[in-house]
Amino acid sequence: AQSVTQPDIHITVSEGASLELRCNYSYGATPYLFWYVQSPGQGLQLLLKYFSGDTLVQGIKGFEAEFKRSQSSFNLRKPSVHWSDAAEYFCAVATNRNMEYGNKLVFGAGTILRVKS
Amino acid sequence: GAVVSQHPSWVICKSGTSVKIECRSLDFQATTMFWYRQFPKQSLMLMATSNEGSKATYEQGVEKDKFLINHASLTLSTLTVTSAHPEDSSFYICSARDLRGLVNTGELFFGEGSRLTVL
Repeated sequence: AQSVTQPDIHITVSEGASLELRCNYSYGATPYLFWYVQSPGQGLQLLLKYFSGDTLVQGIKGFEAEFKRSQSSFNLRKPSVHWSDAAEYFCAVATNRNMEYGNKLVFGAGTILRVKS
Repeated sequence: GAVVSQHPSWVICKSGTSVKIECRSLDFQATTMFWYRQFPKQSLMLMATSNEGSKATYEQGVEKDKFLINHASLTLSTLTVTSAHPEDSSFYICSARDLRGLVNTGELFFGEGSRLTVL
């Protein structure tokens, strides 16, 4: 069964600094990978996704993520963090079969990002 | 993007009562909706897949008689927590797929979540 690990529960960065949130997945074949962001009181919003092709994926709000098969990782990055980026970030994985039969996503535990001014 | 709305956003109830949570897709039709449960400092756990006009498919370990799911229309799915107990206190989140077009883009749209506290 697939699983997702987000090793960092909390991360604090200064505004303007770069950011990298880690995500490792466990799945035998090529997964479908997602990053979602959740602000307090709001639903999850899709930042970006990887299905195939270019392993560096660009998303909304200036985020990008790189799929590294050899490391089973899909880390999220942003070159310069803004105070409005403070939120909780979830990495998720789906399998080909999951996508065919209904988008079953397996989520990581989430990483809470705090931005200090 | 598409909008999914949940109601209520928070609810407090007494042990033994039943609570209904609604999930609506506001600007698209969702033949499939998903219900997740999120414990503090833990990931979202898929509880069940709700298909319009048919019975929900529950994940292993989820009591279908405890968590009743109804998906009577293309824009509404409801989760009813029956005979709620304090251990049912949690954050419940729904999501839906926008099936416009023939391609599954893979994007799920999530509701704001509903926090249930059972006293």
